[in-house]
Amino acid sequence: GQNIDQPTEMTATEGAIVQINCTYQTSGFNGLFWYQQHAGEAPTFLSYNVLDGLEEKGRFSSFLSRSKGYSYLLLKELQMKDSASYLCAVRDSNYQLIWGAGTKLIIKP
Amino acid sequence: ETGVTQTPRHLVMGMTNKKSLKCEQHLGHNAMYWYKQSAKKPLELMFVYSLEERVENNSVPSRFSPECPNSSHLFLHLHTLQPEDSALYLCASSQGGGGEPYNEQFFGPGTRLTVL
Repeated sequence: GQNIDQPTEMTATEGAIVQINCTYQTSGFNGLFWYQQHAGEAPTFLSYNVLDGLEEKGRFSSFLSRSKGYSYLLLKELQMKDSASYLCAVRDSNYQLIWGAGTKLIIKP
Repeated sequence: ETGVTQTPRHLVMGMTNKKSLKCEQHLGHNAMYWYKQSAKKPLELMFVYSLEERVENNSVPSRFSPECPNSSHLFLHLHTLQPEDSALYLCASSQGGGGEPYNEQFFGPGTRLTVL
């Protein structure tokens, strides 16, 4: 079966750095997405990786290793507004998105 | 209005009721999706419409019935639901139904459904 694993919850301190991991086992691979979802709100797109390596976008970076079935989202200079759930999703060989359950990130002052 | 809108935002219904969820996208996209989001579970894709034709139906019970009258509007008709159907129902849209290299999905705020 297809599976996306990510930690259920993480806690970090304002101003620090946090890395949220995602491992996947899917039938085929056509890209990996990270979304942010604040409580009670819609998921919003953060990043997309299809080739190995690091994609940087301001305070957020996303890394992909296709051979290891692994990605991480790196958040720097954490702010209180970064408290949210972070969803990892992989597009499989049928171009269907397979979603992880999300990682709830709690930022403490 | 911009982006993807959904109405109502909250809905409480009995098991014998019939109701409909509405989604509208203002992005000029040609694919629309219904997802179910339950607490601490992955997003479950329910239906996909591409160019107004249904291209995906992931074994969703018949008590959920989608309708896509045009590329901007998507409905989810609900009847004789069960308490376990209580969840957040998210609508999304994208340019292309998934067969393109890069097409992020834009989500609406969701309808919080409670079935009593």
